Amino acid sequence: EVQLVESGGGLVQPGGSLRLSCAASGFTFTDYYMSWVRQAPGAGLEWVANTHPYGSDKYNVDSVKGRFTITRDNAKNALYLQMNSLRPDDTAVYFCARERYGWGFDHWGRGTLVTVSS
Amino acid sequence: EIVLTQSPATLSLSPGDRATLSCRASQSVGNYLAWYQQKPGQAPRLLIYDASNRATGIPARFSGSGSGTDFTLTISSLEPEDFAFYYCQQRADWPPYTFGQGTKLEIK
Repeated sequence: EVQLVESGGGLVQPGGSLRLSCAASGFTFTDYYMSWVRQAPGAGLEWVANTHPYGSDKYNVDSVKGRFTITRDNAKNALYLQMNSLRPDDTAVYFCARERYGWGFDHWGRGTLVTVSS
Repeated sequence: EIVLTQSPATLSLSPGDRATLSCRASQSVGNYLAWYQQKPGQAPRLLIYDASNRATGIPARFSGSGSGTDFTLTISSLEPEDFAFYYCQQRADWPPYTFGQGTKLEIK
């Protein structure tokens, strides 16, 4: 069974940093691009970033460029999101999602809440 | 960036009704469009990929159609568990992947 479990969320002050983790199991991690998708309170879904199976290519949305970095550790079946210079509008539930080629985001974690507030 | 616009924002129907949800793209996405269902406090679930293909385990009452810029998600006969939020998402031109703003399907 595919499982994605996020951790690392919490309350952080504006300008602070946080590192999210996603533990993956139940599938061959290196077969898939992996993404982070976020959802602000009461709002819709926003794709944040993704990474190639071997980390050679990484992409992100313009609003997080220069602040957020996606990485993966294939030996640990883990995905990470390093978030720096956090702003109040980064407040959201952050989901880890598996990208199935030709399909879309076919498996999601339950999410971890990040709150940026003083 | 491709903008996806969903309509209506809220759809009020009764169990057993037919639901028709729309997603319009700001430019052609071919058939590279997916639909997701999300219930409060839960992660999204992939329903439809490539405009008209049901994902694994999705009931046959869910169907998708369209290509280019206009797409439709149809639920043929609503079950109580179908009342939720629905989002479309394009993968034709990325980064970034983009989602529509969502349609809330509520019980009338």
